[in-house]
Amino acid sequence: DTGVSQDPRHKITKRGQNVTFRCDPISEHNRLYWYRQTLGQGPEFLTYFQNEAQLEKSRLLSDRFSAERPKGSFSTLEIQRTEQGDSAMYLCASSLAILDRALEAFFGQGTRLTVV
Amino acid sequence: GQQLNQSPQSMFIQEGEDVSMNCTSSSIFNTWLWYKQDPGEGPVLLIALYKAGELTSNGRLTAQFGITRKDSFLNISASIPSDVGIYFCAGQNTNAGKSTFGDGTTLTVKP
Repeated sequence: DTGVSQDPRHKITKRGQNVTFRCDPISEHNRLYWYRQTLGQGPEFLTYFQNEAQLEKSRLLSDRFSAERPKGSFSTLEIQRTEQGDSAMYLCASSLAILDRALEAFFGQGTRLTVV
Repeated sequence: GQQLNQSPQSMFIQEGEDVSMNCTSSSIFNTWLWYKQDPGEGPVLLIALYKAGELTSNGRLTAQFGITRKDSFLNISASIPSDVGIYFCAGQNTNAGKSTFGDGTTLTVKP
């Protein structure tokens, strides 16, 4: 399978714990995006990378959230001191950017986070 | 900020019927995308539109990029039960490639 892969698919954690999610993009894609989706809503942009550089962060990405893409391949999204409001589906997407213009993005299956 | 309004919010149709849904924005986009999402899964790309006025088909799906750059529609012809799901439109207006999504149209197809 050469699509976007996310791990884990589901995570249940107690409030206050830290969690980390992983995303493996399509191998030739240089752009990687993180989105958050709550029930009944469309995905909301969190942050994106061009290779290993994090180029933009949404205001939704509070200080408790951090994302990395150390070698320009896979990415991790960490949430520290989780709160119940962090419960959501976290989606990763990747795309190819040519001459600085990004083409369409392809999504992974998401990580469903439940904070109890 | 930018907002996309999708309509209708939900649709209940009979198998074999045609479906039309649309998306409007208060801002201009230079790319429109349509995705389908099944419960518990990530969105799957259906059609990408890059030029104002562009009309693109993918099997039974047809989508158009509005000439004002502020709207797009998606048509599904001869619906089948596996068309059930949530359809999202998304707009991009920067080279970053980040998308602004609508809140989806939920489609139910009765056999």
